[in-house]
Amino acid sequence: ILNVEQSPQSLHVQEGDSTNFTCSFPSSNFYALHWYRWETAKSPEALFVMTLNGDEKKKGRISATLNTKEGYSYLYIKGSQPEDSATYLCASGYGQNFVFGPGTRLSVLP
Amino acid sequence: EPEVTQTPSHQVTQMGQEVILRCVPISNHLYFYWYRQILGQKVEFLVSFYNNEISEKSEIFDDQFSVERPDGSNFTLKIRSTKLEDSAMYFCASRVEGEGNQPQHFGDGTRLSIL
Repeated sequence: ILNVEQSPQSLHVQEGDSTNFTCSFPSSNFYALHWYRWETAKSPEALFVMTLNGDEKKKGRISATLNTKEGYSYLYIKGSQPEDSATYLCASGYGQNFVFGPGTRLSVLP
Repeated sequence: EPEVTQTPSHQVTQMGQEVILRCVPISNHLYFYWYRQILGQKVEFLVSFYNNEISEKSEIFDDQFSVERPDGSNFTLKIRSTKLEDSAMYFCASRVEGEGNQPQHFGDGTRLSIL
């Protein structure tokens, strides 16, 4: 059974701080790694899909890197804002389906 | 931007009753999914559906669960005889053709409360 882990479980940062968190996944039979942003009372929003080792994607102040050989991905947020407060989910895609990690809950304090 | 829509937003049902959760996926999407999240736990895969049949299901998706695409737009999850432990948020998702490198688009979820 594919097991996807995320750390830390939760994180509190001050507005303006930069932060990062980790997703780890089995490196064998890797297909794709997805990051989602999930705000309370809303649906998960797709941020990035990454497939290649060494891939780096950026969307505004958020970026992500991928290491498929060692089985991890980092998500970085530069200059955190209160509106970045959400749960960040990663998911490892295999074939047609996904396995989600437990998420990292980020709280950005003004 | 097209969205996945789910109804109802909140469903309260007596234990033992049947419940149907409804989803309207994005119109040109071909793969459909149901997930659930029990309060405080991680998102769990239930079932995937493609070409009018189940393509994969998890251990959670036992004989009490079924899915259907009764017409060209709706995708439903039925729980035949609900149990207390079925209380959770249920999310529907859809995506376009292609393998697991295409993102899934999620609905806002249905909160199911079993009394």
